[in-house]
Amino acid sequence: GAVVSQHPSWVICKSGTSVKIECRSLDFQATTMFWYRQFPKQSLMLMATSNEGSKATYEQGVEKDKFLINHASLTLSTLTVTSAHPEDSSFYICSASGLAEQETQYFGPGTRLLVL
Amino acid sequence: KQEVTQIPAALSVPEGENLVLNCSFTDSAIYNLQWFRQDPGKGLTSLLLIQSSQREQTSGRLNASLDKSSGRSTLYIAASQPGDSATYLCAADTDKLIFGTGTRLQVFP
Repeated sequence: GAVVSQHPSWVICKSGTSVKIECRSLDFQATTMFWYRQFPKQSLMLMATSNEGSKATYEQGVEKDKFLINHASLTLSTLTVTSAHPEDSSFYICSASGLAEQETQYFGPGTRLLVL
Repeated sequence: KQEVTQIPAALSVPEGENLVLNCSFTDSAIYNLQWFRQDPGKGLTSLLLIQSSQREQTSGRLNASLDKSSGRSTLYIAASQPGDSATYLCAADTDKLIFGTGTRLQVFP
């Protein structure tokens, strides 16, 4: 089956620093990758959708300049949380889908971010 | 705007019981309805995907039904086991996945 990995699995950083999270599709080409955020006891909320080689589409209320997304290849997307603050502490999950129309999204294991 | 609701929010049952988890959505214009499992601190595992033209899907002890006209889906778990303990999320796929808040299930021996 399709496998999506994320790195790191957890990260602790100081307020004001930037953190980069990687999302990789290991055995398929991901034309589209999605980034979600999940706060404790809440559901997943889509942050942005990225297509390989083009700019990401951000959901309403998500700051483009704070959450930088790069989808430079068909197997890798990165999310950079710039100038992180404690309120950015959350569980970040990526997913990836391939070429087939309305194909299932395959989810990564998530990255837990704690900003001190 | 699509809204997805799941009830109950939490459920605790003894092993062996048959369970029904409910999911409702406000906009029936969906491509599909998906059910996921999430273990604590982990990502999502896809359980079942029901296309908009389908009424149900089955996988092992799991059966999911879809009634688009009423905006409802149910996940039926037969003969529950302690290993089924997790949070179950449904998601309605319009042009993006809209997730419900989940049902936290605990199955005790």
